[in-house]
Amino acid sequence: EDKVVQSPLSLVVHEGDTVTLNCSYEVTNFRSLLWYKQEKKAPTFLFMLTSSGIEKKSGRLSSILDKKELSSILNITATQTGDSAIYLCAVNIRDDKIIFGKGTRLHILP
Amino acid sequence: DGGITQSPKYLFRKEGQNVTLSCEQNLNHDAMYWYRQDPGQGLRLIYYSQIVNDFQKGDIAEGYSVSREKKESFPLTVTSAQKNPTAFYLCASSNNRASRGYTFGSGTRLTVV
Repeated sequence: EDKVVQSPLSLVVHEGDTVTLNCSYEVTNFRSLLWYKQEKKAPTFLFMLTSSGIEKKSGRLSSILDKKELSSILNITATQTGDSAIYLCAVNIRDDKIIFGKGTRLHILP
Repeated sequence: DGGITQSPKYLFRKEGQNVTLSCEQNLNHDAMYWYRQDPGQGLRLIYYSQIVNDFQKGDIAEGYSVSREKKESFPLTVTSAQKNPTAFYLCASSNNRASRGYTFGSGTRLTVV
């Protein structure tokens, strides 16, 4: 059975801290790994990773894929209260299907 | 602007009633999806459709039905057979390669009263 596992499920840190969110997967056919941020309603796209070892960056957020370890991490440096959200990891396993992890709920204390 | 519109944002259902959630997109995407989100459960796939007049069951299709009569529209009916329908429902769409992941609607929160 294809699955995506995220850890931790919940995390509380203080503003300014750096956080690392983890995602591991076991799938029969890997095409890409995606990260989304869900603040209130609709998840919004952050990164798509297809190649091992190549870091994607957007401001204070970065992510990298390790195909050997079947995992990915999402780093957020110098966290701000606006980073509080649910972060979803997902794996595209075929043209029409993406499977999601349960998400990491991140709360940033001022 | 292109996007996905879900309506209503909030919906209350009485026991034994069927309700229909609307999802419309103007992105010219071929594929559309319905997910259910419960606290601590992540997103679970209910139904998806790759082309008009065709759809497939996802992981938790029991108690739900869909139709895809138009490319732009993919309504979800929550039937009385769904025993625990209270949840947040998300609609999404993609080109068939899902190369950039999905575009999501803003969701409908359904509550059984």
